[in-house]
Amino acid sequence: DQQVKQNSPSLSVQEGRISILNCDYTNSMFDYFLWYKKYPAEGPTFLISISSIKDKNEDGRFTVFLNKSAKHLSLHIVPSQPGDSAVYFCAAFQGAQKLVFGQGTRLTINP
Amino acid sequence: GAVVSQHPSRVICKSGTSVKIECRSLDFQATTMFWYRQFPKQSLMLMATSNEGSKATYEQGVEKDKFLINHASLTLSTLTVTSAHPEDSSFYICSAWTGRSYGYTFGSGTRLTVV
Repeated sequence: DQQVKQNSPSLSVQEGRISILNCDYTNSMFDYFLWYKKYPAEGPTFLISISSIKDKNEDGRFTVFLNKSAKHLSLHIVPSQPGDSAVYFCAAFQGAQKLVFGQGTRLTINP
Repeated sequence: GAVVSQHPSRVICKSGTSVKIECRSLDFQATTMFWYRQFPKQSLMLMATSNEGSKATYEQGVEKDKFLINHASLTLSTLTVTSAHPEDSSFYICSAWTGRSYGYTFGSGTRLTVV
């Protein structure tokens, strides 16, 4: 049972435009969400997070939006840069220390 | 910030041999570490949770006798792939819990190729 879903396996965006990556979840008990970025042959790195008591968190070019009623979160990157090309994973807390990951979305920024 | 060092970054071994992968927390103590496996173009698959001083907890479908995990200290967890076969070739990543704000800090991963 996939509790965290990223339904778009890939996304292609032109440099300078906005990238929007989506994530849906099914467990209403999730109360904290994170986004990780992963380059090939490297481990994921933390990008941004959001608590369920908020609906938006912003850090520079990255903004995460949370819609609890829809059980949906999204990551906005604006403006998109070539270095943003990577696989992005959303994740949610399940229990004290266990994270549940989505399948990942491969973002490609085209010059 | 917290750093997790994973070694080796890549290894090639012959079928039937065993390979050990190390995961170290460099500037913090990690009572819990996690081992993941990533197949090409697929998500991170949690293999097991490594607990310092106790037995690892394996996810369903993961052979505990094949993937031996040892977490003997607060800064070191090891994954040993025993009697490796070509189908064990994959990208293995460890991570350590670094608090609720950041979740996990990941190692840089190990590319295992079994020939």
